[in-house]
Amino acid sequence: QSVLTQPPSASGTPGQRVTISCSGSSSNIGSNTVNWYQQLPGTAPKLLIYSDNQRPSGVPDRFSGSKSGTSASLAISGLQSEDEADYYCATWDDSLNGRVFGGGTKLTVL
Amino acid sequence: EVQLLESGGGLVQPGGSLRLSCAASGFTLSNYAMSWVRQAPGKGLEWVSGISGSGGSTYYADSVKGRFTISRDNSKKTLYLQLNSLRAEDTAVYYCAKETLVMVVAGTKLDYWGQGTLVTVSS
Repeated sequence: QSVLTQPPSASGTPGQRVTISCSGSSSNIGSNTVNWYQQLPGTAPKLLIYSDNQRPSGVPDRFSGSKSGTSASLAISGLQSEDEADYYCATWDDSLNGRVFGGGTKLTVL
Repeated sequence: EVQLLESGGGLVQPGGSLRLSCAASGFTLSNYAMSWVRQAPGKGLEWVSGISGSGGSTYYADSVKGRFTISRDNSKKTLYLQLNSLRAEDTAVYYCAKETLVMVVAGTKLDYWGQGTLVTVSS
């Protein structure tokens, strides 16, 4: 049971916009910034979004993040087949004094 | 270019021990905190442990506290994770990852990851 709650799956067709939610509490998302990681099949995770809505160099602007209260969202616009991957939200939890991840969302491009 | 290369995984019996290593290159290891993150087969990511740049501060998930020990040797550019009293539920790919600050604190992120090493706990 993950501290952060994500839908287990999401899907969309090429060109569509999809969003993935991440729900937490006041001790984690409510008081700390959120990062998102992308894990392509058979590979290590990669930092996709940091500090709620910042993109590392090299990440396309099709990917965007937002946060409100104790929830965060990842949006992918202009969906492409290579976006098919697992996506994880993560943040710090003040009560646990450690980093926490969401359970992950498997994105399928139909 | 930042590179992280894990090693030391393998098959171990329940109750056994293993030491994982993570060789770092392409950056000054002592300037950054480091973390270990694991992923059980077909499951999500779980943060396991973190250590400050000097090694003076360590952090553990409740699931491994008292059984795992994180350490580092900056002169050898290597991060370690000692796994003791292993259980079947510790079976996972273990990734080492670089933090973006010298301390493991809120607001940081894991900006580089290794390819992982598989630990299998089974009799």
